[in-house]
Amino acid sequence: DIVMTQSPDSLAVSLGERATINCKSSQSVLYSSNNKNYLAWYQQKPGQPPKMLIYWASTRESGVPDRFSGSWSGTDFTLTISSLQAEDVAVYYCQQHYSIPITFGQGTRLEIK
Amino acid sequence: EVQLVESGGGLVQPGGSLRLSCAASGFTFSTYGMSWVRQAPGKGLEWVSDISGSGGGTYYADSVKGRFTISRDNSKNTLYLQMNSLRAEDTAEYYCGKERRDGYTFGRGYMDVWGKGTTVTVSS
Repeated sequence: DIVMTQSPDSLAVSLGERATINCKSSQSVLYSSNNKNYLAWYQQKPGQPPKMLIYWASTRESGVPDRFSGSWSGTDFTLTISSLQAEDVAVYYCQQHYSIPITFGQGTRLEIK
Repeated sequence: EVQLVESGGGLVQPGGSLRLSCAASGFTFSTYGMSWVRQAPGKGLEWVSDISGSGGGTYYADSVKGRFTISRDNSKNTLYLQMNSLRAEDTAEYYCGKERRDGYTFGRGYMDVWGKGTTVTVSS
């Protein structure tokens, strides 16, 4: 199984500041034939279902504010919120869909400092 | 508007059974794989099961293999999860999700649309 490890588990950032969440996969989720990283990021606010933010590691879903961005280097993936807004308070999850079983990171709780 | 609506959750005794449903609308249901993902109270997300658009391919987490069965009725635009031999550790919010693969056949899809969930409680 591919293990997804997020860091930190929780994060407090001031409004307007940058928030960075990391996710490391235990093995590559890059499929060389299509050069796609099978890595997605989700946001879950309290009492709500998850919402997809980023897919293929760095493609922002339609309607997601451009302050959200995804990047990667090898098996290390990063979700960055460039300027934190109050509505960004949530738990963020990474997910690999490269192989079965599909696995999620443990989640990172983002709060306002 | 693309929409997924789960139903069928409830309170069940250990060893009992439940069938969850997920009604889909707003997209061509048969052309998309679908997943079930659960979340135990206060915990993270756990993938449970996945089915291809045709229903010909099904996949399960080890934790539910042999007890849960995923299926779909494309004529009714509905996804199902039959859960047997339920255990206390199956207590969770169960979400269905639509998978998007952007035309790639390798791997599984990412979940671009989620339902609001249905609550399953296994307790005596």
